[in-house]
Amino acid sequence: GAVVSQHPSRVICKSGTSVKIECRSLDFQATTMFWYRQFPKKSLMLMATSNEGSKATYEQGVEKDKFLINHASLTLSTLTVTSAHPEDSSFYICSVRQSAVQETQYFGPGTRLLVL
Amino acid sequence: DAKTTQPPSMDCAEGRAANLPCNHSTISGNEYVYWYRQIHSQGPQYIIHGLKNNETNEMASLIITEDRKSSTLILPHATLRDTAVYYCIAVPISNFGNEKLTFGTGTRLTIIP
Repeated sequence: GAVVSQHPSRVICKSGTSVKIECRSLDFQATTMFWYRQFPKKSLMLMATSNEGSKATYEQGVEKDKFLINHASLTLSTLTVTSAHPEDSSFYICSVRQSAVQETQYFGPGTRLLVL
Repeated sequence: DAKTTQPPSMDCAEGRAANLPCNHSTISGNEYVYWYRQIHSQGPQYIIHGLKNNETNEMASLIITEDRKSSTLILPHATLRDTAVYYCIAVPISNFGNEKLTFGTGTRLTIIP
């Protein structure tokens, strides 16, 4: 399966600051990456689908101006949480697909964000 | 996408086979059955998937009933490291590459020493 990394693994920031999370596909070029978040004791919820070179598609209820996604290359997607607030504290996880005709998604290790 | 139903929790003795059931009675002919697991504080890990036939890999076996309305994930010799939440997901066969994974609540499997 694919190897996916995320950086940082955990971050603590003050309310009102912005935080950038990187997701890298280490062993293949991913045309599509996905961003999820997971609150404590809850299941993963898809936030957005990111396609290389085009704008991300956000799920209903996810603010695109608050969660900025950039997928500028086939191996890197970034999620920026702008003006973070304590309610944004969560576990953010990215995933990649190997190709458009292969449905399997491979997940990164996740980034735990704590906003004080 | 078809909804799946799983028991909320299960226990299994270490070294025994763990059999995790999943109901997907409304699955359509163009949907795979996928299994992922999530160990605490980690990203989900792909386990196995199938369409109609039973499948086996180095991690597990997947048994799909002939009518495709249910399936069972089998971990043949469970170890303590298999303690995790297991998700069964129906995934449409891809045409455009943007099909989503919709995670339910899964089954929390606890391996007992």
